[in-house]
Amino acid sequence: QVQLQQSGTELVKPASSVKISCKASGYTFTSNYMHWIRQQPGNGLEWIGWIYPGNGNTKYNQKFDGKATLTADKSSSTAYMQLSSLTSEDSAVYFCATWGSSFDYWGQGVMVTVSS
Amino acid sequence: EIVLTQSPTTIAASPGEKVTITCRASSSVSYMYWYQQKPGASPKPWIYDTSKLASGVPNRFSGSGSGTSYSLTINTMETEDAATYYCQQWSSTPPTFGGGTKLELK
Repeated sequence: QVQLQQSGTELVKPASSVKISCKASGYTFTSNYMHWIRQQPGNGLEWIGWIYPGNGNTKYNQKFDGKATLTADKSSSTAYMQLSSLTSEDSAVYFCATWGSSFDYWGQGVMVTVSS
Repeated sequence: EIVLTQSPTTIAASPGEKVTITCRASSSVSYMYWYQQKPGASPKPWIYDTSKLASGVPNRFSGSGSGTSYSLTINTMETEDAATYYCQQWSSTPPTFGGGTKLELK
């Protein structure tokens, strides 16, 4: 069965960067787009972008251009998202997800808190 | 980008009651998707391609709509249906989500 296992909670300082991971299993990692979605506290969901692990191609929501960088390691079936120049506005839960007939499979989410 | 506006923002329903949640798009979309999210959990796919139920979703749920107006309906509310529901479109990139409708048990 498809599983997306994300890394743990992060507490980071303003102006720093953080890299979170999403380890995939149960399907062909290189043949499916991996999406990243943000959920700010008490707020709705925002699509950040996708990466196609087969060739490393990426597409970003313009809003997150320069903020998020998506990468993938085929050898470990793991997708990564690095968030840079963090501010309190970046405090949120970040999900990885795959698209089939909808966003069918989701990771459990990573809570990132930006605080000094 | 296409903006999705859900209404109501919050609704309370009693067991057995019929519930309808509406999602309006700022431009016409071909399909609408719906997700259910409970506190502390990831969203779950609920309805895809406007009216198809995701695996395991009870048939008291239904989806309908076209163009800029879509809805999710629960025929008879049950306690386990209390959750937040989000609509989502991907007729144009970026895919966008509605702000959510919190369904509470009365």
